[in-house]
Amino acid sequence: SAVISQKPSRDICQRGTSLTIQCQVDSQVTMMFWYRQQPGQSLTLIATANQGSEATYESGFVIDKFPISRPNLTFSTLTVSNMSPEDSSIYLCSVAGTSRDTQYFGPGTRLTVL
Amino acid sequence: GESVGLHLPTLSVQEGDNSIINCAYSNSASDYFIWYKQESGKGPQFIIDIRSNMDKRQGQRVTVLLNKTVKHLSLQIAATQPGDSAVYFCAENFGPTGGGNKLTFGTGTQLKVEL
Repeated sequence: SAVISQKPSRDICQRGTSLTIQCQVDSQVTMMFWYRQQPGQSLTLIATANQGSEATYESGFVIDKFPISRPNLTFSTLTVSNMSPEDSSIYLCSVAGTSRDTQYFGPGTRLTVL
Repeated sequence: GESVGLHLPTLSVQEGDNSIINCAYSNSASDYFIWYKQESGKGPQFIIDIRSNMDKRQGQRVTVLLNKTVKHLSLQIAATQPGDSAVYFCAENFGPTGGGNKLTFGTGTQLKVEL
């Protein structure tokens, strides 16, 4: 499976600011995804990061709050904009494997908003 | 909407015993299922998967069982070890026409292995 890294691994931010999270994969992948995992909860898909076009957002998530970039097949960013304490979560990127079904996850970015 | 859920939020087992983690799903169109293990401070790690045309699949110390009749999925861990302590998630894929390769995750079960 691909090796996935995320930066930063954790951060503490002030409300009203924005944070950009990077996801880097060591090989080209077709599909990349961004998830949110609130404290003690399961994973919720935020959006599918599409290479060369706008991301596809799930219900309840909007581009103005979570802008996503995917400039090539190995890299994507997720920005959490105008943060509030409710945005405190783990943000995870994943990539689809060769079967296009299986997803492999990065280590996550642990965000705390004060 | 339809969702994937788990029966037991916490499961405690003795080291060396077998563990069984259960998952109920509600979308009959789901054709692919995955079990993930998430250790504290880490991202989910793929354990094993199964497609809807199978009812059982075995890996190293793990077995996944799929009962489509009652829409039930289980993960069996043989000879549970302290390193198995983690949260386990099941996830379902509705298929390329239903979900576009997106995964829907269950609520998670915390497995605690007692020495």
